[in-house]
Amino acid sequence: DTEVTQTPKHLVMGMTNKKSLKCEQHMGHRAMYWYKQKAKKPPELMFVYSYEKLSINESVPSRFSPECPNSSLLNLHLHALQPEDSALYLCASSQRQRGGMGLAGARDTQYFGPGTRLTVL
Amino acid sequence: AQTVTQSQPEMSVQEAETVTLSCTYDTSESDYYLFWYKQPPSRQMILVIRQEAYKQQNATENRFSVNFQKAAKSFSLKISDSQLGDAAMYFCAALNFGNEKLTFGTGTRLTIIP
Repeated sequence: DTEVTQTPKHLVMGMTNKKSLKCEQHMGHRAMYWYKQKAKKPPELMFVYSYEKLSINESVPSRFSPECPNSSLLNLHLHALQPEDSALYLCASSQRQRGGMGLAGARDTQYFGPGTRLTVL
Repeated sequence: AQTVTQSQPEMSVQEAETVTLSCTYDTSESDYYLFWYKQPPSRQMILVIRQEAYKQQNATENRFSVNFQKAAKSFSLKISDSQLGDAAMYFCAALNFGNEKLTFGTGTRLTIIP
């Protein structure tokens, strides 16, 4: 099973609201990712969590706050967003193995969730 | 730095015909992976096929196959017997081994003509 779930599917929020996006996977993957995707563009990486620790922050504004409560869950807390933050937010996960070469291929393949369509008014 | 280039913004093919989507990449690493993802209007990014750079044999998944030319840094996707459900945006992507950052191309929108 290569399922990553995301809730909600759609979210409309005002610029003063606080909301959260949720991502969940039960594949035993140890790396989880947040991407932002604008229409007709490829996904842009925002954050990477590896073994529940933040390993990459692609200079994302502080109004986006990621959280990884455990190895299966990834949240993205939103506060004081701007209209230009309206986009599709995708979560992904992949297996990771600490150190060494390990097996190639499957361990680094990223599997994506269905996304949350966010509209900021 | 790693770059991925898809030079065909849009492609179309008759149903049941074969179509090839182009992708070139550039990396200084010797060990890396290449992927094709499909994103239909439903939005979900779906893995179509994966190629490991150290493997000379081209990957295949049912009607999908790749032509991996390592020296030319080319990674094209061939879709045989095209079906209406193949209509989507197709993204080529590359990942250096041990890295966490997947680099995407700009995508090719594929239309299937009934």
